[in-house]
Amino acid sequence: DGGITQSPKYLFRKEGQNVTLSCEQNLNHDAMYWYRQDPGQGLRLIYYSQIVNDFQKGDIAEGYSVSREKKESFPLTVTSAQKNPTAFYLCATQGRGSSGNTIYFGEGSWLTVV
Amino acid sequence: EDQVTQSPEALRLQEGESSSLNCSYTVSGLRGLFWYRQDPGKGPEFLFTLYSAGEEKEKERLKATLTKKESFLHITAPKPEDSATYLCAVQGYTGGFKTIFGAGTRLFVKA
Repeated sequence: DGGITQSPKYLFRKEGQNVTLSCEQNLNHDAMYWYRQDPGQGLRLIYYSQIVNDFQKGDIAEGYSVSREKKESFPLTVTSAQKNPTAFYLCATQGRGSSGNTIYFGEGSWLTVV
Repeated sequence: EDQVTQSPEALRLQEGESSSLNCSYTVSGLRGLFWYRQDPGKGPEFLFTLYSAGEEKEKERLKATLTKKESFLHITAPKPEDSATYLCAVQGYTGGFKTIFGAGTRLFVKA
């Protein structure tokens, strides 16, 4: 959705290199998520955060790290420990109360290992 | 453990041929069931949120329904522009805001 900005759109990583994907939101949502999507596959949860300075591992957290120092920002670092990082990465947010439970997605970032 | 299974994996329809997509789920207390449309190389686009069994929501040619074990996305008289992958997801009251997605159904509508 327009309130979630992911950057860069395309990123190339060399073997043994750490890279960071940015996710910024102006929706004032508490919860933020990172998902990984492989070609022809569904979304798999990497990490999620319900509030600032708190986050939980999803189903495929190994080789990834996150931080949540600000409500607006939830960057994802793909470390050299992630052996097969080539994928499409999606950031999402979710509000509470009057905004309902709708989860909104950014436009995604493509990461390729070269 | 929360789980979502979508069927069929792929569905090919002629323009105007109505059909349904299925989403079977298991969750410890349903907080919400979500349907999304995803075009290639794009982020998922929100369609519906359903909260309780018996609930129905409609948007243009799409109608989503919910029971205690599954949800259906009915597509009436589809057009080629409805071709996309449709994703279903569930969020339970246990596990905080953790949301689990199914693998999706790829819909192809031929003119």
